[in-house]
Amino acid sequence: KAGVTQTPRYLIKTRGQQVTLSCSPISGHRSVSWYQQTPGQGLQFLFEYFSETQRNKGNFPGRFSGRQFSNSRSEMNVSTLELGDSALYLCASSLLGGPGYEQYFGPGTRLTVT
Amino acid sequence: AQKVTQAQTEISVVEKEDVTLDCVYETRDTTYYLFWYKQPPSGELVFLIRRNSFDEQNEISGRYSWNFQKSTSSFNFTITASQVVDSAVYFCALSEAGRDDKIIFGKGTRLHILP
Repeated sequence: KAGVTQTPRYLIKTRGQQVTLSCSPISGHRSVSWYQQTPGQGLQFLFEYFSETQRNKGNFPGRFSGRQFSNSRSEMNVSTLELGDSALYLCASSLLGGPGYEQYFGPGTRLTVT
Repeated sequence: AQKVTQAQTEISVVEKEDVTLDCVYETRDTTYYLFWYKQPPSGELVFLIRRNSFDEQNEISGRYSWNFQKSTSSFNFTITASQVVDSAVYFCALSEAGRDDKIIFGKGTRLHILP
């Protein structure tokens, strides 16, 4: 069974631009979560989607948004990029999501904002 | 509020030594789940174990073992006879079976296994 895939793997953007990251979960998994990983803050939860609906959201500004499609693929969008948005963005899929279900992570998208 | 503390930022041991990674958690829920993940240099987090709050049995999987103690709110991870391939960042995580069911990660422990 194929794992979680994320595209692109690396991205360089300038301040003020917007970016869209993509995540394809493991086949059959309906929950997709997004995390931001930085050296200073560690792994921080962004949001979770289940059956095309956002089910949970972390403490991030509205510039961070996402969506999930009917095939469970998910996209994350960051508008008006700031230098502090430079991070590794990880996507994780889970069979049903929620507590108790382990998450399977993709390789991440490393975003650099200059 | 939920919180996960991994006090050891970085550990270095010589290959074949045993090493224990500490994890202390805080939660107000009686039903919760604890996880350990490994992040090798490639960056992809790898699931290692899940434990629910009602199961305090220790678990052993090959060279890996986990000690869950509710009395001390700890979920420690021991690698026996460490190998260079064990070098990675290890994260402990917690999720509560309540209204807010997102997973919270500790800051991670970077483990160096020296040949």
